[in-house]
Amino acid sequence: QKEVEQNSGPLSVPEGAIASLNCTYSDRGSQSFFWYRQYSGKSPELIMFIYSNGDKEDGRFTAQLNKASQYVSLLIRDSQPSDSATYLCAVDPGSARQLTFGSGTQLTVLP
Amino acid sequence: DAEITQSPRHKITETGRQVTLACHQTWNHNNMFWYRQDLGHGLRLIHYSYGVQDTNKGEVSDGYSVSRSNTEDLPLTLESAASSQTSVYFCASSPGLDYGYTFGSGTRLTVV
Repeated sequence: QKEVEQNSGPLSVPEGAIASLNCTYSDRGSQSFFWYRQYSGKSPELIMFIYSNGDKEDGRFTAQLNKASQYVSLLIRDSQPSDSATYLCAVDPGSARQLTFGSGTQLTVLP
Repeated sequence: DAEITQSPRHKITETGRQVTLACHQTWNHNNMFWYRQDLGHGLRLIHYSYGVQDTNKGEVSDGYSVSRSNTEDLPLTLESAASSQTSVYFCASSPGLDYGYTFGSGTRLTVV
């Protein structure tokens, strides 16, 4: 079982809709959770991080964490074509001092 | 502005040659990491360092080495390049895990 799992997609949503990206992790000791956005041919850039159970909002982005279910998600409201990218979930497993990344979910926002 | 730079951006090399990829950061971060990214595998950790003279093996370290002689640089060396090492390589740095990573722009390496 992979330590961090994401649906690879592709996920397509129409412009203006809510895009929902999901991630599960295996290590219950995980402390910190990150969402990165990666445009094709570019490097990953950090867009959200969350440490505590519940929701964290930043503009059109909301990260949701449920440690009991070992589940973290990213919601993108009012999706724009510029949001089309691969979204990587990363987890600090707690047992190590490096992040473990999921394989990413490719999102396409259709105009 | 502080930054993290990788060089070269693209490299083509022959099987069996030694290759070194450079990573330089001006954030003054103690933690530096090398990842490779391949379709279907996501980002996989090659080597990492928590400070000068400290280096550690990651998930896919066979055939790679690093050295850390100062805070700013963590060069990645492929001892004898193999076609399986054709990939995109990302360097990253971090002041601490709570802050996530900042990535360099990547090096696309092709081994022929």
